[in-house]
Amino acid sequence: DAGVIQSPRHEVTEMGQEVTLRCKPISGHDYLFWYRQTMMRGLELLIYFNNNVPIDDSGMPEDRFSAKMPNASFSTLKIQPSEPRDSAVYFCASSLGGLIGYTFGSGTRLTVV
Amino acid sequence: KQEVTQIPAALSVPEGENLVLNCSFTDSAIYNLQWFRQDPGKGLTSLLLIQSSQREQTSGRLNASLDKSSGRSTLYIAASQPGDSATYLCAVSLRTSGTYKYIFGTGTRLKVLA
Repeated sequence: DAGVIQSPRHEVTEMGQEVTLRCKPISGHDYLFWYRQTMMRGLELLIYFNNNVPIDDSGMPEDRFSAKMPNASFSTLKIQPSEPRDSAVYFCASSLGGLIGYTFGSGTRLTVV
Repeated sequence: KQEVTQIPAALSVPEGENLVLNCSFTDSAIYNLQWFRQDPGKGLTSLLLIQSSQREQTSGRLNASLDKSSGRSTLYIAASQPGDSATYLCAVSLRTSGTYKYIFGTGTRLKVLA
């Protein structure tokens, strides 16, 4: 298995634009997590899915953020409109049963100018 | 609310030293604790996982201990090498809404000097 795959690796966009981050979890994993990492706040859980259903989105900072998981092999995190304070590294992780085989992707470094 | 703290935030040591990284958490009702390593520009890699019923886990030069009652874990690295330079994060799992998720510490940035 190629692991958790995220795209793009880097994204630079202008303030106000829509940004879509993508994630392909490990095949067979039933949990998918989206995290945001910044120097100030560390690694924060934004939202997670179980069997494609959002379970806890309490970490999503604002209505500008939305996440979907249309099937077991794909998820998106969308920011619309983007703001400079959204600049961070966004990680996707997947696991089996919530805690088994917790595997992170390489992240998407987002810069909003 | 579970809070995870790691001390020190940064550490620089000469090659060959044994060192200890600390992690503390406020709520002892955890399911397990996991130590991760993060290299610059990369994702997190799991190093050691300790179940709540366990006291320690070992993998090569790494040893992690867990004291749930005091809300503490330590990661011991023996005979450190320049290749150990990375950020080390601990994460505790808690149960919420019938499922489990991890809360991460802010990490310890380790630099091992050749």
